[in-house]
Amino acid sequence: DAKTTQPTSMDCAEGRAANLPCNHSTISGNEYVYWYRQIHSQGPQYIIHGLKNNETNEMASLIITEDRKSSTLILPHATLRDTAVYYCIVRVANYNAGNMLTFGGGTRLMVKP
Amino acid sequence: EAGVTQFPSHSVIEKGQTVTLRCDPISGHDNLYWYRRVMGKEIKFLLHFVKESKQDESGMPNNRFLAERTGGTYSTLKVQPAELEDSGVYFCASSQVLQAQGQFFGPGTRLTVL
Repeated sequence: DAKTTQPTSMDCAEGRAANLPCNHSTISGNEYVYWYRQIHSQGPQYIIHGLKNNETNEMASLIITEDRKSSTLILPHATLRDTAVYYCIVRVANYNAGNMLTFGGGTRLMVKP
Repeated sequence: EAGVTQFPSHSVIEKGQTVTLRCDPISGHDNLYWYRRVMGKEIKFLLHFVKESKQDESGMPNNRFLAERTGGTYSTLKVQPAELEDSGVYFCASSQVLQAQGQFFGPGTRLTVL
């Protein structure tokens, strides 16, 4: 799987949008971008994933650049409960067997009142 | 729908003892994964079951670790004998065969080896 690069930490004001960047310049054509987060003392939680197009769900939006070498996870209205470590992971979506996730250091997002 | 559950939530044992961790995946999920995070390090993959078969055990650190998934339902991860460096949080995750969302994680078992 391609390697990703994320800032170590970020702050965001409560109620504002949190924009978390991720670089994945070596991504290959069949690799998806996945985002997970880990809230303190909990297991990692799936947020969203995408291949080429921008994606949105009830939790977040994912913006992928046209060359697919970077992406941004957007939490439109961050709350204190969004304080967590956010992981950007690139992997092949193997629909037949499933693949392991390779976690990096992630971005520690601190949402402040 | 019940999520992935893990038992126990915490375990404190002495070096040389044996510990068995249990994971109950989401019902119907054929894929089951074990991961762990040791102190100060990143979350690392240990192994992957598809039903009762080990699909990939490349992340298992050594032969003191034994994972089983009898009947393709719950899984156990036994550490025997435990060493100090085995301390950390052990996560289990599961997914359906045809699922793009990836894996659903349990809350983890915090293992402390004294």
